[in-house]
Formats: sequence, structure tokens, C-alpha cells
Amino acid sequence: GAVVSQHPSRVICKSGTSVKIECRSLDFQATTMFWYRQFPKQSLMLMATSNEGSKATYEQGVEKDKFLINHASLTLSTLTVTSAHPEDSSFYICSARYSGEAETQYFGPGTRLLVL
Amino acid sequence: GQNIDQPTEMTATEGAIVQINCTYQTSGFNGLFWYQQHAGEAPTFLSYNVLDGLEEKGRFSSFLSRSKGYSYLLLKELQMKDSASYLCAVSDSNYQLIWGAGTKLIIKP
Repeated sequence: GAVVSQHPSRVICKSGTSVKIECRSLDFQATTMFWYRQFPKQSLMLMATSNEGSKATYEQGVEKDKFLINHASLTLSTLTVTSAHPEDSSFYICSARYSGEAETQYFGPGTRLLVL
Repeated sequence: GQNIDQPTEMTATEGAIVQINCTYQTSGFNGLFWYQQHAGEAPTFLSYNVLDGLEEKGRFSSFLSRSKGYSYLLLKELQMKDSASYLCAVSDSNYQLIWGAGTKLIIKP
């Protein structure tokens, strides 16, 4: 149980375009979802926390107008990277937790974004 | 401030035992996690400790001492597939995960 999926797994886009990444909890209802970014050989960096039906809480230094997060249902959260630039190239990983296990975050497989 | 410390890299031999330490200083404590992350992949959950003591799960065990702000992950009967980064994370008073930088474990035949 506690499976989280992400789509797409890999995306290449041109600079200036927008990219949407989906995160789904497949067998549980995720009350909270998290979006992380990870640059090569670095640890995870939390970008934002989203609760279903409410606005996401962004970490300091993360531009909310650039990284749009929507948590429309208990099984789906989306991250849209708007007007992507090469420096946005990274590994984006979502995680989810549910009320029955308030502590553990289960991670999606990640999305590798390359902006040309 | 909040801080999680773990060694950057460790090397061990196939079949041996290795202990990866993690020390933490956080505002509040709601449990400590260990995750395994293979290169190019997302982390996978290994263990969760919220009470002092040792939790054993197959070849992997995790220990916690809250008074010392210390945990370790013990891996027994090492296999080549155990080569990965091991991430220590603490859930703080707001239930946010504070991440260590990870320990890269290299297994040699």
C-alpha cells in the first residue's frame, strides 16, 4: 500500500514554456502532499506543502507565481513550472501522507525536468 | 537553528555490517525517518522511530536516543544492491521533515 505515482517521469521542454507535473496517491487519500526539488548530488529541498482544498504553503525563496501548486483532490496534486528556464532543470519529487499515518511521507518516483 | 548531521560517505564490504549515524538538533521532535535513495531515483521509506530503542526490520535496524539527539541505521549482510544514499530526516514540531544531506554508502565486493 501507500503508492504514489508521478507523471511524466521525464520531460524536456524549451525555455519559456510551462510544464505540469502530476502527483497521485493511488491507494490512499493524501491529506497533505509535498513537493521537493533535488539537484545532482544534493539532498532534497522542500518547495511547498499543500493540503487538499487550500492554498499551498511555500518555503522561503520559492516563487509561488513560478511554481504553481494545485491540490484539487485527496489523490491529486499538480506542480506547474511556469516560463521554465534552464536553471529550473532538476529532479522534482512529490510525497504524500495520509491521516491514518500522520508522520510517514511516501514518495513518488520523481520527474526529471530538462529545460533547453 | 535546525540541523541534521550524517557522514557524507561510507564504504563497506559485501556481507559485512555497517552503521550509519545521524545526530539532530530540531525545534520539536515527532519522529525520525530513514530513507534509501538510489542514484536517479526517489527516496524509499525504510524506518520510523519515535520512541527510544531499536527497531528491527529484516536486514535493517534503526536505533533512536531522543535524549542524545542520535539515531543510527544498521545494515547487516550487506549486498551490492544496498549501495545507495541513506537519508536521515526528523519530523519537527510542525510535522515538517528536516532532511540530512544523506550518506552515500559504497559496497565493495
